[in-house]
Amino acid sequence: DGGITQSPKYLFRKEGQNVTLSCEQNLNHDAMYWYRQDPGQGLRLIYYSQIVNDFQKGDIAEGYSVSREKKESFPLTVTSAQKNPTAFYLCASDTGEVGELFFGEGSRLTVL
Amino acid sequence: SQQGEEDPQALSIQEGENATMNCSYKTSINNLQWYRQNSGRGLVHLILIRSNEREKHSGRLRVTLDTSKKSSSLLITASRAADTASYFCATDRTTGNQFYFGTGTSLTVIP
Repeated sequence: DGGITQSPKYLFRKEGQNVTLSCEQNLNHDAMYWYRQDPGQGLRLIYYSQIVNDFQKGDIAEGYSVSREKKESFPLTVTSAQKNPTAFYLCASDTGEVGELFFGEGSRLTVL
Repeated sequence: SQQGEEDPQALSIQEGENATMNCSYKTSINNLQWYRQNSGRGLVHLILIRSNEREKHSGRLRVTLDTSKKSSSLLITASRAADTASYFCATDRTTGNQFYFGTGTSLTVIP
């Protein structure tokens, strides 16, 4: 079945450490997105990529980095520069045309 | 922020009743979408309505759009306990295929 796989589902990090969240899709979608969700809040866009080897900052990119070396993969690195990284992170993809976003099941990051 | 806002923030109803939630947004849009999120899970697309449409149905879902009031509503008829989830509206941005998500309505359907 086609879909988006995020890993790990739960991740704990000590302050000062970088962590990388994985996002893989086999939907053959051109566009991929990373969102952050805080408790009781909506989704905020961190980074997005509309094509391989290209990506753009979203609304809250500071302290995050991404790469898009393959169409299927869009990993997100939460760096030590992100002051409040504890959150639920959601990866999504779409065809790049107007339509629905397909989401992964999310990764919950907790900073200890 | 151009984020939409859902109203109410939380809604609790009995099984079999109808649930209505509203979304207001700030700028002109080309389309608006509704998503559902079960606790601790990813979002699932429910329905898309374009700016030139006023109403759309999908199963037990009915969505309306009033562009003059910059608002949309989602009606779930004959609710079931399995409808318990958070519901988000998403409006498109002027550049690219990205969306602004609202703050969500948390729906609880009591069996």
